[in-house]
Amino acid sequence: GNSVTQMEGPVTLSEEAFLTINCTYTATGYPSLFWYVQYPGEGLQLLLKATKADDKGSNKGFEATYRKETTSFHLEKGSVQVSDSAVYFCALSDRRGQNFVFGPGTRLSVLP
Amino acid sequence: KAGVTQTPRYLIKTRGQQVTLSCSPISGHRSVSWYQQTPGQGLQFLFEYFSETQRNKGNFPGRFSGRQFSNSRSEMNVSTLELGDSALYLCASSLDYLTGPYGYTFGSGTRLTVV
Repeated sequence: GNSVTQMEGPVTLSEEAFLTINCTYTATGYPSLFWYVQYPGEGLQLLLKATKADDKGSNKGFEATYRKETTSFHLEKGSVQVSDSAVYFCALSDRRGQNFVFGPGTRLSVLP
Repeated sequence: KAGVTQTPRYLIKTRGQQVTLSCSPISGHRSVSWYQQTPGQGLQFLFEYFSETQRNKGNFPGRFSGRQFSNSRSEMNVSTLELGDSALYLCASSLDYLTGPYGYTFGSGTRLTVV
């Protein structure tokens, strides 16, 4: 079946540091890929998405590129802020948007 | 427009009791999915409803059930509560059960504590 693997957390960075959170997937066909973010005490919010190979999703300074050859969708941000502290989930769905699979989440803490 | 609304936000129940959680999707969204989130298991899919019909179901015991009303609002019920049911229950809505590239919009969740 489909699966998503994320790097183990927690990740602790200083403000303005560069962020990478690795995500790799196993799926049949051509899945859509997503990053969701969960701030403390809240539900998940869609951060960015990509629906086909080489697509780059971007939002709020975060970026991720759909790499079919390496089955990866790594999340990056050039300069993190304290307000980026949250749990980040990589997810995939099949082409029709069904059968969502979420990764285990990576907790990010950004220190001032 | 209003987001996904889940009520109540917090709930404390005793083992053996039952509980009902409510979710109102974004206006116009007709599909509602439920997830259980725990520190150990992460996000686990419970079930999905579209047009008052359960379209998909996760691997949970029959104590977990749900329904959807004609206005797309959904409820989930857990009977005979166990300590292990303590979790954040998240509701997610989408326009259609075929979400395409749009993904879900999640509510803030209901934090259930079973004592």
